[in-house]
Amino acid sequence: GQNIDQPTEMTATEGAIVQINCTYQTSGFNGLFWYQQHAGEAPTFLSYNVLDGLEEKGRFSSFLSRSKGYSYLLLKELQMKDSASYLCAASTDSWGKLQFGAGTQVVVTP
Amino acid sequence: SQTIHQWPATLVQPVGSPLSLECTVEGTSNPNLYWYRQAAGRGLQLLFYSVGIGQISSEVPQNLSASRPQDRQFILSSKKLLLSDSGFYLCAWSRGTGGEKLFFGSGTQLSVL
Repeated sequence: GQNIDQPTEMTATEGAIVQINCTYQTSGFNGLFWYQQHAGEAPTFLSYNVLDGLEEKGRFSSFLSRSKGYSYLLLKELQMKDSASYLCAASTDSWGKLQFGAGTQVVVTP
Repeated sequence: SQTIHQWPATLVQPVGSPLSLECTVEGTSNPNLYWYRQAAGRGLQLLFYSVGIGQISSEVPQNLSASRPQDRQFILSSKKLLLSDSGFYLCAWSRGTGGEKLFFGSGTQLSVL
């Protein structure tokens, strides 16, 4: 079976750092995606990790440990516009299907 | 560049009525196509995916069906909607091999009353 877990909600203040953890147990694994989704909108791609280690893209970084079935998304210098749901998703087969976690709602306060 | 169009944006339908949601992709050929549903406060659930014309795989048993009459057209249908069919429906495409990111349409908010 497929199981992808991430916290339901996190709150942080503007300018701070927040780390969203994701653990996964899947029958197959190609890599780990992170998407951002604002309320009522479609998810937009943030990052993709296929090898162990840290990938940095501006204020956002993503980490993967395949042996531990673990990833995190790090959001630095938080801005109000970063308030959104962050979805962890595992690529589990060669057909391009993604299995999504339930999402972590990040609330940025002034 | 590639674009994905999904319509309508919102839909309110009575229980027992039919449903047809359409999605088209431009700027690419032979994409993998997907229908996801997102219930309020929940994650994305994969409903159907297609790797080619007329090829549909269903992920969960349900009241819905999908069709792919053309390479870049994907349709989600139901003959009789249930209350439990309410949700946010998202069409997506990818280049089709493992590890390719999904590009999502803008979504359809379906309310079945």
